[in-house]
Amino acid sequence: DARVTQTPRHKVTEMGQEVTMRCQPILGHNTVFWYRQTMMQGLELLAYFRNRAPLDDSGMPKDRFSAEMPDATLATLKIQPSEPRDSAVYFCASGLARQSSTGELFFGEGSRLTVL
Amino acid sequence: GESVGLHLPTLSVQEGDNSIINCAYSNSASDYFIWYKQESGKGPQFIIDIRSNMDKRQGQRVTVLLNKTVKHLSLQIAATQPGDSAVYFCAENLNNDMRFGAGTRLTVKP
Repeated sequence: DARVTQTPRHKVTEMGQEVTMRCQPILGHNTVFWYRQTMMQGLELLAYFRNRAPLDDSGMPKDRFSAEMPDATLATLKIQPSEPRDSAVYFCASGLARQSSTGELFFGEGSRLTVL
Repeated sequence: GESVGLHLPTLSVQEGDNSIINCAYSNSASDYFIWYKQESGKGPQFIIDIRSNMDKRQGQRVTVLLNKTVKHLSLQIAATQPGDSAVYFCAENLNNDMRFGAGTRLTVKP
């Protein structure tokens, strides 16, 4: 069945290391969202893409975070260098947007990042 | 799946009772709203949606009410069951931007 796939599911790394999280959206979906979930902030929108073009990444710390969609089947979120405060669960979600509405978003199971 | 132990507003109800979860949204221009359910260890899942030109929409055991005057959204769950225990988020959409509220943890007592 169609689902959003995220890798890795768990990542433990040391401060200063590069981290790359990957997401395979549902085939045919034209929007991809990256969210970060922490105890204090809930679900924060980091970035989103429509038809592979970045529409908004204002939620991301620009100096260390970057998000890309090399092709329609892959979205990446990279942190370089990582810091302990980046520890969180990162969710990718995809949807089929029409006009100005995203429609329903389908979430992956998340990537839990721990930065020591 | 993953989740975090969120420090959230909590609603505790008895099994079989009705639940009402409330949400205040931020942008009066938002045109589409969704309620999501997040169970422990999983990503959020769609429950029900409503467009801004409506004030009520019903699904199976769930009803969403929208009050645009006060920017308020509510989710009503009829005959709450143990499987309804989860964190519930409202989300608002504006120009393809989907942003989530803080969430409410629903606990169903048997």
